[in-house]
Amino acid sequence: AAGVIQSPRHLIKEKRETATLKCYPIPRHDTVYWYQQGPGQDPQFLISFYEKMQSDKGSIPDRFSAQQFSDYHSELNMSSLELGDSALYFCASTLGPTGTDTQYFGPGTRLTVL
Amino acid sequence: DAKTTQPNSMESNEEEPVHLPCNHSTISGTDYIHWYRQLPSQGPEYVIHGLTSNVNNRMASLAIAEDRKSSTLILHRATLRDAAVYYCILSGAGGTSYGKLTFGQGTILTVHP
Repeated sequence: AAGVIQSPRHLIKEKRETATLKCYPIPRHDTVYWYQQGPGQDPQFLISFYEKMQSDKGSIPDRFSAQQFSDYHSELNMSSLELGDSALYFCASTLGPTGTDTQYFGPGTRLTVL
Repeated sequence: DAKTTQPNSMESNEEEPVHLPCNHSTISGTDYIHWYRQLPSQGPEYVIHGLTSNVNNRMASLAIAEDRKSSTLILHRATLRDAAVYYCILSGAGGTSYGKLTFGQGTILTVHP
């Protein structure tokens, strides 16, 4: 069965650079969630989209923006990168943002900021 | 968001059952109880979820207290592959949570050969 695809899997950037992370949900899934997991920490919700509209927002810095496209894939754009942005970034997809359905997570993008 | 409380860590031997507890005394009537686990360097993985009745699937069983203020994830025969961090998460069907998962401190399960 098709799973959630994230690209790139690894990304190394310098401070103050920009980065774009991509997420391709499971086919027919219309809802995407982004989570950030710092070293030794638990995943933290950043932002979510349902039917190409932002549905919820967590502790996402103003330097970050995201969107969901017509084919339901999503991109997380990160600017003015800081050392503290080094983390694993997961996206998850589901059918509908009801909170009752399973979220399927991708393998994550490991971002390292030097 | 309703809060859950789990033990920091638990240990088990291979082939033995494991009971992972979770307290959620402030659960609302529309909150589902979800369990996810995360193996090292991997994304979280769905295990099981339920609302009021006990649930079984090929991975585990979920026992929910009658007052819904606690639940227990049961792994019937632990394997080395079950060593992971287990998260108990409440996610509501109503309100404004829109399905986001709020990960708290999970339980680190160690399985001994």
